[in-house]
This record gives sequence, structure tokens and C-alpha cells, in this order.
Amino acid sequence: DADVTQTPRNRITKTGKRIMLECSQTKGHDRMYWYRQDPGLGLRLIYYSFDVKDINKGEISDGYSVSRQAQAKFSLSLESAIPNQTALYFCATSDSGQWASGGYTFGSGTRLTVV
Amino acid sequence: DQQVKQNSPSLSVQEGRISILNCDYTNSMFDYFLWYKKYPAEGPTFLISISSIKDKNEDGRFTVFLNKSAKHLSLHIVPSQPGDSAVYFCAADVGGNTPLVFGKGTRLSVIA
Repeated sequence: DADVTQTPRNRITKTGKRIMLECSQTKGHDRMYWYRQDPGLGLRLIYYSFDVKDINKGEISDGYSVSRQAQAKFSLSLESAIPNQTALYFCATSDSGQWASGGYTFGSGTRLTVV
Repeated sequence: DQQVKQNSPSLSVQEGRISILNCDYTNSMFDYFLWYKKYPAEGPTFLISISSIKDKNEDGRFTVFLNKSAKHLSLHIVPSQPGDSAVYFCAADVGGNTPLVFGKGTRLSVIA
């Protein structure tokens, strides 16, 4: 099993619908992150959480919300999806300050299309 | 303002030659730098890192050079192989409780 699992892998949804992307990890890491990738824009941080009671906005949090249900689970919600939220979404985990061991572990991504 | 810049969106190199991917940064407080590689339909994976107290770190075919005075780092791949074709992201850490800052990525194509 993958260390960081994202579900679903692909999703097509209609404008205005609510959608949840889920992320679970077996790394035992405290820190979890949600990024989106768009062509030419790289990886942009949406939300991050350093422990279960800690939630922080990233650079592009508008239109998104998150829930940290447990140390191992971090969900991203789009309350009312719009077409410009069409992107590839990545969940990542990390241990605090363990950059020498590679920093983040990413999931395989969720490709979301809003029509 | 973009703190980590990868100014070349793409790079094409012949197999066996050297690939050099560049990354510039503006925040002098960054104290750790990482490179990630991403294949299509997969998440990014860690490639190599360097602390700001060093100027070079080598791992097999991959070497990262850091020039703090120029706020510039580069990733060298020698020799380049077709399997190296991927998007490469440069990332930097300012320390403390802050997430990594990523560049926009450079797509490397290694031509056989």
C-alpha cells in the first residue's frame, strides 16, 4: 500500500457541486498539506496542518476548506466547485524538520475536472 | 512575489550529456533546499537536498550546487538518461513552522 493515499484518483463534477478529496497516510507524520498543480504555475499551497488541532491557510485557500479528522487523515472540500478549480491536487505529509530524509511524501494526486 | 524561481519552463538534452536545471531564490532566510522529480500521473518524489551550510551535495548522477551569494542553486544530472525525463521542482525551507516554498518547475526531456 502507498504511504500516502488519495481518493478519488480522477473526478469529474459539475459547477456548483460540493466535492471532497480525501487523503490518508501511514507514515505516522504529524504534518499534512494540500497543493494544487496547474500548468505553468507549479505547486501552490492550499491548506496545511501541523497536527490534528492545527489548520492553516495557504496561498490559495479561497473556495476550499479542510478537515483533519485524525493524524492520518486530511480532507479537502470544494463547497461549490467552479471550472477554474480544475487542476491536479496533491496531498503531502512530512515530519517536522526532517528535510535530510527527503521532506515531503506526496500522494499520487487527484485529477479534478469541473464542468 | 515568487520567492523561488525556476525561469526555464522546459529543457531538452541529448542522452549522455549533462542536464543543468537552475533555481533562483529571493529570501536569504532559506536554510535548506530540496529538489523533487515528478513523472506524469504520479506525485513528486524527493531527489536530493542541500543545507545552506554546504555548497555541494552529490548523490550518484545527481549533484546540487548552492551559491548563497548569488541566491542560486542548480541541479546537474550526468549523464542524462531518457528515464530522467520529468518535471523537476526546486523547493526551499525558511525553517520553523512554515511549509516548503516550491518553484514552478522545469520540464526536462532527455532525447535518445
